[in-house]
Amino acid sequence: AQSVTQLDSQVPVFEEAPVELRCNYSSSVSVYLFWYVQYPNQGLQLLLKYLSGSTLVKGINGFEAEFNKSQTSFHLRKPSVHISDTAEYFCAVSGRRDDKIIFGKGTRLHILP
Amino acid sequence: DTAVSQTPKYLVTQMGNDKSIKCEQNLGHDTMYWYKQDSKKFLKIMFSYNNKELIINETVPNRFSPKSPDKAHLNLHINSLELGDSAVYFCASSQVPTGSDTQYFGPGTRLTVL
Repeated sequence: AQSVTQLDSQVPVFEEAPVELRCNYSSSVSVYLFWYVQYPNQGLQLLLKYLSGSTLVKGINGFEAEFNKSQTSFHLRKPSVHISDTAEYFCAVSGRRDDKIIFGKGTRLHILP
Repeated sequence: DTAVSQTPKYLVTQMGNDKSIKCEQNLGHDTMYWYKQDSKKFLKIMFSYNNKELIINETVPNRFSPKSPDKAHLNLHINSLELGDSAVYFCASSQVPTGSDTQYFGPGTRLTVL
């Protein structure tokens, strides 16, 4: 079975500063990895996903993530955040033969003016 | 044009009542899901249907009964509502039922049981 751990429940960061949201996964098989974003009072939407190939994945809104198999991590980064990035960010994992994805507990990104 | 829609957006009801939440997707996807998000934002899958067939049924009380009249619709009926059922329920869809496919979420239904 797969599991995913988001190490920080909240991350405060000043506007225009860089940010990294951490995600580690556990699995005995090869995985697919995702980051979803949930803006206040909305449903989730996909930011980016890693299926195979290049370990650096670029997503929407200037976000990117790096798959690191040896460290079983998939951290999300943005070089300069904006107030509109205020949201809950969910890391998720799926085993390659699975038909469902498992979500982490989320990290709230709080942008300080 | 909304891709995945849910009704109602808010639902406030008394313990013991029966209620339904409706979901529709216009993306032409084969697979639909119900998720429950608790007060701590933890998101857990409840059910998944592919082409109107149930393929995922997590350990959900049998008071919860999903119904898929066609590929574009997945409804959730809840009997004998309990306080612990209070949560936000999200419907989602994907093209196929594989772990690699992107899921598209509806806006959620906030259920409050008094």
